[in-house]
Amino acid sequence: AQRVTQPEKLLSVFKGAPVELKCNYSYSGSPELFWYVQYSRQRLQLLLRHISRESIKGFTADLNKGETSFHLKKPFAQEEDSAMYYCALTSTSGSRLTFGEGTQLTVNP
Amino acid sequence: DGGITQSPKYLFRKEGQNVTLSCEQNLNHDAMYWYRQDPGQGLRLIYYSQIVNDFQKGDIAEGYSVSREKKESFPLTVTSAQKNPTAFYLCASRSSYEQYFGPGTRLTVT
Repeated sequence: AQRVTQPEKLLSVFKGAPVELKCNYSYSGSPELFWYVQYSRQRLQLLLRHISRESIKGFTADLNKGETSFHLKKPFAQEEDSAMYYCALTSTSGSRLTFGEGTQLTVNP
Repeated sequence: DGGITQSPKYLFRKEGQNVTLSCEQNLNHDAMYWYRQDPGQGLRLIYYSQIVNDFQKGDIAEGYSVSREKKESFPLTVTSAQKNPTAFYLCASRSSYEQYFGPGTRLTVT
């Protein structure tokens, strides 16, 4: 069975500080990992996926198969980064996503 | 915005009544999904459909039913058998690798 764990329900940092949102997964095959974000009063939307290996809004995430982790990082947090972040996993068929519990990030001025 | 619409935004029902939540998409996606979002539990998959006239149970299908008669539409019925129906419900459709979400329906059952 596939499972995604986000150990921090709440995370609070100051503007300009580095931020790391943790995500661990369990999956027997080769998963695809994603980060989705939900800003206040907006729809849930894709932030980034590990296959694309790109930086979106200054965020990056590296898939570590040895540690089964896909932590989301940003070197200098901004107030507009405050949102709910979900880590998600899918099999290579992509038929269904499994989401973590979510981390509410607050960036304080 | 756009592409996936859910209606209504807020829905109130009495216990024991079935209620149907609407989800429509104009993205020409084959796959559609229903999730339930509860605080501290993330998104949990209720049902999904990869093609018209076919659907599969997700992780928490008990007390719910769906239909997929048209590509554009994937309505979810919350039946009286669902023990804890009050929640925020999200519909999504999928492109080749990304899921696109609707604005959600908040259902309150009293």
